[in-house]
Amino acid sequence: DAGVIQSPRHEVTEMGQEVTLRCKPISGHDYLFWYRQTMMRGLELLIYFNNNVPIDDSGMPEDRFSAKMPNASFSTLKIQPSEPRDSAVYFCASIEHGGANTEAFFGQGTRLTVV
Amino acid sequence: QQQVKQSPQSLIVQKGGISIINCAYENTAFDYFPWYQQFPGKGPALLIAIRPDVSEKKEGRFTISFNKSAKQFSLHIMDSQPGDSATYFCAASIQGGSEKLVFGKGTKLTVNP
Repeated sequence: DAGVIQSPRHEVTEMGQEVTLRCKPISGHDYLFWYRQTMMRGLELLIYFNNNVPIDDSGMPEDRFSAKMPNASFSTLKIQPSEPRDSAVYFCASIEHGGANTEAFFGQGTRLTVV
Repeated sequence: QQQVKQSPQSLIVQKGGISIINCAYENTAFDYFPWYQQFPGKGPALLIAIRPDVSEKKEGRFTISFNKSAKQFSLHIMDSQPGDSATYFCAASIQGGSEKLVFGKGTKLTVNP
């Protein structure tokens, strides 16, 4: 497996524009997590899914953020409208439930810059 | 509410020295404590993990020490090397439950040659 795949790797957008980040988890993994990383706040959990169902979205900062997982192999995180304070690295991670040692596999991240 | 507190924020060590990073947690339901290593431009990757039924786990130069009563755990890197320079995150979760990992804020380790 190629691991968790995120796209794009880099995104530069203007304030007010819609941004969509994409994630393909590892096949067979039934948990998917979206994290945001900044210098000030570290790794923040935004939302996570189990078997494509959103379980906890309490970390989503505002209504401008939304996430979907239409099937087991694809998830999106959308920001509309984007603001400069949304600039961060966004990571997607997946986990196979029930493993002896629950390892979260992270993608390479999407570096978002909102100008 | 920060459930996992990590210190120090940054650490500089000479090659061959010992690097020590500490974490403290609040939720006594946590039963899985991993450490993740992140290199610039990459996502975090699992380095080593421990469960609360043991007080220490060692893998090569990396050791986790766990103190259940104090709700603390630490990462020790022996014989630190320049290639160990990275950001290290401690984390905690409840196994068999949500699998949700709660991360500390990270420690940027620099190992000077």
